[in-house]
Amino acid sequence: KQEVTQIPAALSVPEGENLVLNCSFTDSAIYNLQWFRQDPGKGLTSLLLIQSSQREQTSGRLNASLDKSSGRSTLYIAASQPGDSATYLCAVQAPYYNQGGKLIFGQGTELSVKP
Amino acid sequence: DTGVSQDPRHKITKRGQNVTFRCDPISEHNRLYWYRQTLGQGPEFLTYFQNEAQLEKSRLLSDRFSAERPKGSFSTLEIQRTEQGDSAMYLCASSLLGATNIQYFGAGTRLSVL
Repeated sequence: KQEVTQIPAALSVPEGENLVLNCSFTDSAIYNLQWFRQDPGKGLTSLLLIQSSQREQTSGRLNASLDKSSGRSTLYIAASQPGDSATYLCAVQAPYYNQGGKLIFGQGTELSVKP
Repeated sequence: DTGVSQDPRHKITKRGQNVTFRCDPISEHNRLYWYRQTLGQGPEFLTYFQNEAQLEKSRLLSDRFSAERPKGSFSTLEIQRTEQGDSAMYLCASSLLGATNIQYFGAGTRLSVL
């Protein structure tokens, strides 16, 4: 059974710092890995999606890497801003051919960026 | 295309009542997923449809839960005889089976059972 773990559960940093969020998964048979942002009481916003054949994706100040063989992904946020404060969720997508492509989520990392 | 819509956004009900939520996916998307998220946790898969066929149900989906997608368009999730443990955010996502299969999420329905 696929399990996804995110470390740390919470993180507080001063504005301007670079930071790394970690995600690990137990089964390397994934279709892709996705990072989401969730603001309190809101739905999910997709940040980056890495296909299983890719190693990394970048969008603005965000960079996500994937090491499928070791079951790890990192989300790097450069020059953090107070507006980055949110919960960040990592999700792996199960293969479509036998698991319907459902997403398996980690518990999230709650990020607080202090001005 | 206005994205995935969920209605209502918030629902407060008393224990034992039945509730129904609606999800309208992106119009051309043939897959629709339901997830449940409790406070401080990541979303958990409940069920999914391909067109009108419900292809998988999680063990989390007890007999009190039923989901439908009658014409392969919108979907409903009904909870009968609600319990306090049903309090959660219910999220719907849709995707187009194809090259990337990206799931797009709605804003969710927050259920509070008193």
